[in-house]
Amino acid sequence: DVKVTQSSRYLVKRTGEKVFLECVQDMDHENMFWYRQDPGLGLRLIYFSYDVKMKEKGDIPEGYSVSREKKERFSLILESASTNQTSMYLCASSQFWPEQYFGPGTRLTVT
Amino acid sequence: KQEVTQIPAALSVPEGENLVLNCSFTDSAIYNLQWFRQDPGKGLTSLLLIQSSQREQTSGRLNASLDKSSGRSTLYIAASQPGDSATYLCAVLMDSNYQLIWGAGTKLIIKP
Repeated sequence: DVKVTQSSRYLVKRTGEKVFLECVQDMDHENMFWYRQDPGLGLRLIYFSYDVKMKEKGDIPEGYSVSREKKERFSLILESASTNQTSMYLCASSQFWPEQYFGPGTRLTVT
Repeated sequence: KQEVTQIPAALSVPEGENLVLNCSFTDSAIYNLQWFRQDPGKGLTSLLLIQSSQREQTSGRLNASLDKSSGRSTLYIAASQPGDSATYLCAVLMDSNYQLIWGAGTKLIIKP
């Protein structure tokens, strides 16, 4: 079974802090994704990566950056957290698009 | 620009009822449509995938239909159970760029 894990289920940070969200997959998938999910809106793609050290912007990359130094790990970075980044963050991995495997999500609150 | 809408946003029904969840999309140029289930703390799980050339897919008590020309899909759940309580999302894969566009989901509560 594919397993995608995220470092925290809940996270509370202060405005202006640098925040790291970590995602690890154990199936050697090439592709990894970061989404945010807000009430009343569909999932929105922030960034994706199709290989180590490769990244592509999604629909809403502003205020975020990513890092993929190893194939199994994809990190989402909020350089200076703001209250409008309070959201549920979902990581996914995929070998054959559009089949994706999702992590459990990190609910981030920025105060 | 593709828009995917799921109505209602929330639904509560007694156990044992058959029910239908709706998904509509504005651009019919889709490659396929998927239905997902989201449980708190467990991420999303794909339930059914319908290719654009198909009319329906079935898995156990679930049946998903697709009417591409009218921009609609339904997820039919037969004999609902409390364990079916979850949020159900649909997503369409665009023909042109293989972008996945998501609906906001329907939160389903099955009352024992």
